[in-house]
Amino acid sequence: DAGVTQSPTHLIKTRGQQVTLRCSPKSGHDTVSWYQQALGQGPQFIFQYYEEEERQRGNFPDRFSGHQFPNYSSELNVNALLLGDSALYLCASSPYHPNYGYTFGSGTRLTVV
Amino acid sequence: ILNVEQSPQSLHVQEGDSTNFTCSFPSSNFYALHWYRWETAKSPEALFVMTLNGDEKKKGRISATLNTKEGYSYLYIKGSQPEDSATYLCAFRFGNEKLTFGTGTRLTIIP
Repeated sequence: DAGVTQSPTHLIKTRGQQVTLRCSPKSGHDTVSWYQQALGQGPQFIFQYYEEEERQRGNFPDRFSGHQFPNYSSELNVNALLLGDSALYLCASSPYHPNYGYTFGSGTRLTVV
Repeated sequence: ILNVEQSPQSLHVQEGDSTNFTCSFPSSNFYALHWYRWETAKSPEALFVMTLNGDEKKKGRISATLNTKEGYSYLYIKGSQPEDSATYLCAFRFGNEKLTFGTGTRLTIIP
């Protein structure tokens, strides 16, 4: 049973560009959460998707947007990239019920130059 | 702003020794406390989800306790092994809100 799959694993972008990161959740999971981890920090919550809708959002600007598809996979889009967006982006899937632990992907390492 | 604090930030432990570390969180409106282990170059892996005051959970040599009234959880590792080297993250949920992570405790086991 495949866990959470994220793509790409690494990418380098230039300031001002746009990027799309992708996530396929674990089989049986319908909820996808995205986190940003900058160096020396814990994962910071970006947003969560369930039933193709953004259910909760963290303290991130509108440049960060997302989407969830009918097959529960999800995308994270970041527009107008800044140097400070360089980080590891983690996708986590779970059943919608809050008492379940998350299954994480290996992350996408984004470098903005 | 909800803060989840973990201590210590890093820890070096001799192989075979036991160790523990702490996660502190707001005690009001508690819903759940998660522990994750994150080995280098791998994905974070869920260890425990704890919801009730006084909960104790165990997985092999690793166990955790929860005190929701005072807002802390301890993670214990008995007889540390090199494969226990990892960053241990705790995460707190209040109400039905997002999972908020601490910055983690980086554990290194010295052979």
